[in-house]
Amino acid sequence: KQEVTQIPAALSVPEGENLVLNCSFTDSAIYNLQWFRQDPGKGLTSLLLIQSSQREQTSGRLNASLDKSSGRSTLYIAASQPGDSATYLCAVNAGKSTFGDGTTLTVKP
Amino acid sequence: GAVVSQHPSRVICKSGTSVKIECRSLDFQATTMFWYRQFPKQSLMLMATSNEGSKATYEQGVEKDKFLINHASLTLSTLTVTSAHPEDSSFYICSARDLGDSLNFGQGTRLTVV
Repeated sequence: KQEVTQIPAALSVPEGENLVLNCSFTDSAIYNLQWFRQDPGKGLTSLLLIQSSQREQTSGRLNASLDKSSGRSTLYIAASQPGDSATYLCAVNAGKSTFGDGTTLTVKP
Repeated sequence: GAVVSQHPSRVICKSGTSVKIECRSLDFQATTMFWYRQFPKQSLMLMATSNEGSKATYEQGVEKDKFLINHASLTLSTLTVTSAHPEDSSFYICSARDLGDSLNFGQGTRLTVV
């Protein structure tokens, strides 16, 4: 059974800092991995999708990497802003998607 | 990008009544949609996989007679919470994969049973 772990559970940083969120998974037989953000009381917004054959994806200030063999993915956020405050979830797709518990990020002005 | 619309966003109902939640893929066809439940400060729990034109596949521990799923067309799946009770109060979210295999989520429905 796939297990997905996200570390840290919560993170608070001052505005402007670069930061890394971590996602690890136990079964490397995956199709893809996807990062989402969720604002309180809202649905999930897709940030980046990395296919199993890819190593990384970039969108603006976000960069996600995937190391399938070691079961790890990171989400790098550059020059963080207060608007980045949200919960970030990773989802590992092996037919069904398994979600981590998320990292709640607070960026202080 | 692919858009999934979920309605209603909030609903309050009396105990014992039924509530229907709709999930639509607006600009793509979805033969499969997913229904999740999310408790406060917790991650998403997959309840069932909705299959167009056939029966939904429920996860272990999810009562299929309690949570009725219908996927009558390639763009619409519905979840009906039957005989709702206060313990059914939760945040329900649907999703569907687009042609690029990306999961796209609806806005979620906050159900409160009083």
